[in-house]
Amino acid sequence: DAGVIQSPRHEVTEMGQEVTLRCKPISGHNSLFWYRQTMMRGLELLIYFNNNVPIDDSGMPEDRFSAKMPNASFSTLKIQPSEPRDSAVYFCASSSASGGKYQETQYFGPGTRLLVL
Amino acid sequence: GDSVTQMEGPVTLSEEAFLTINCTYTATGYPSLFWYVQYPGEGLQLLLKATKADDKGSNKGFEATYRKETTSFHLEKGSVQVSDSAVYFCALLLHNFNKFYFGSGTKLNVKP
Repeated sequence: DAGVIQSPRHEVTEMGQEVTLRCKPISGHNSLFWYRQTMMRGLELLIYFNNNVPIDDSGMPEDRFSAKMPNASFSTLKIQPSEPRDSAVYFCASSSASGGKYQETQYFGPGTRLLVL
Repeated sequence: GDSVTQMEGPVTLSEEAFLTINCTYTATGYPSLFWYVQYPGEGLQLLLKATKADDKGSNKGFEATYRKETTSFHLEKGSVQVSDSAVYFCALLLHNFNKFYFGSGTKLNVKP
């Protein structure tokens, strides 16, 4: 069984550039989560989709960040323009949920390590 | 507010030592509790969980008991191995409010 797939695994870019991170959830899962992990702030939930609809985006840091889920098998997280403080590991996770409620086990992808110079 | 508090790391142990990583929570309602593990360079994986008071979750020799009276979910293992070196995250799920909270993580280093 393929797990959650994220690409790229590593990204190095310069300040001001647009960055797009991609995620393919586990087939059959209807919930998708984007997290950011840094040493200073730990693991932060950025946004949560259920059935392709954003349910909770209160963790999205600012307008430079946007996330989409055009279909059940693909999501993107975009940063435009990127800044050095966006450097972090970004994780995508998926799970099964009903009625927009979290289910208990989230399956994480391997993460994208982003470095903004 | 609702939160999870873990002991700060890193925790350094010798192989075969006993492990305890403390986790306490503050929550409205009746949460489910989890331990996730993150090995170097990987994403988080569910290690174990407990869904109600007095439940014990267990997996790979790790155990944790949901203690409502002390609002705790401490992770234990009787004999750690070098391969257990990882970061461990305590988490809670508030079903009524549809909120999932992770602790800050505790890094475990096990030396041969």
